[in-house]
Amino acid sequence: DSGVTQTPKHLITATGQRVTLRCSPRSGDLSVYWYQQSLDQGLQFLIQYYNGEERAKGNILERFSAQQFPDLHSELNLSSLELGDSALYFCASSPRGNTEAFFGQGTRLTVV
Amino acid sequence: DQQVKQNSPSLSVQEGRISILNCDYTNSMFDYFLWYKKYPAEGPTFLISISSIKDKNEDGRFTVFLNKSAKHLSLHIVPSQPGDSAVYFCAASASNYQLIWGAGTKLIIKP
Repeated sequence: DSGVTQTPKHLITATGQRVTLRCSPRSGDLSVYWYQQSLDQGLQFLIQYYNGEERAKGNILERFSAQQFPDLHSELNLSSLELGDSALYFCASSPRGNTEAFFGQGTRLTVV
Repeated sequence: DQQVKQNSPSLSVQEGRISILNCDYTNSMFDYFLWYKKYPAEGPTFLISISSIKDKNEDGRFTVFLNKSAKHLSLHIVPSQPGDSAVYFCAASASNYQLIWGAGTKLIIKP
């Protein structure tokens, strides 16, 4: 158990809908990362937050947004969902940023 | 522009032998490198890391070597065990705190 909690574990939704994925980082970790892993693909970095502020942005679509709350948990919002958004979405946390990150078990999103 | 490259999508090694996974990077500002292991449908788990001030770091069966002049690092696993079969990701970071990931290498340990 990495200490990073992601909910829900599985999510099935229709095209055009909006979903919210939630991440609780390890206690004391200030940095949260979101990643997308499509079928048999590598990890695609989406976005990083550090202590509530956006720190880095990767290949995140405009239809996607994220935030980190004062209690350091984070949410990833995916809207106007398309079939191609079906993927595993991972959240990771680290004490700062330039250290090892610990990953949650992921949320498997299926868009039908 | 891939700043971290793992050029071998897969690698097959006999159980008990040495597994060597390679990673190349282009950004000379990277100062911290990490290796992660990932099983299907699970999150990656941290294996071992190395700072740019070192050229080797060892942890049990796992050793990471860093060659800064060649911008190359490698992960050695010896002896390889069946449970080592997984996808291995190399990642690097600089002072902007963002981890840059390679595409991964699938390691298959044959009995």
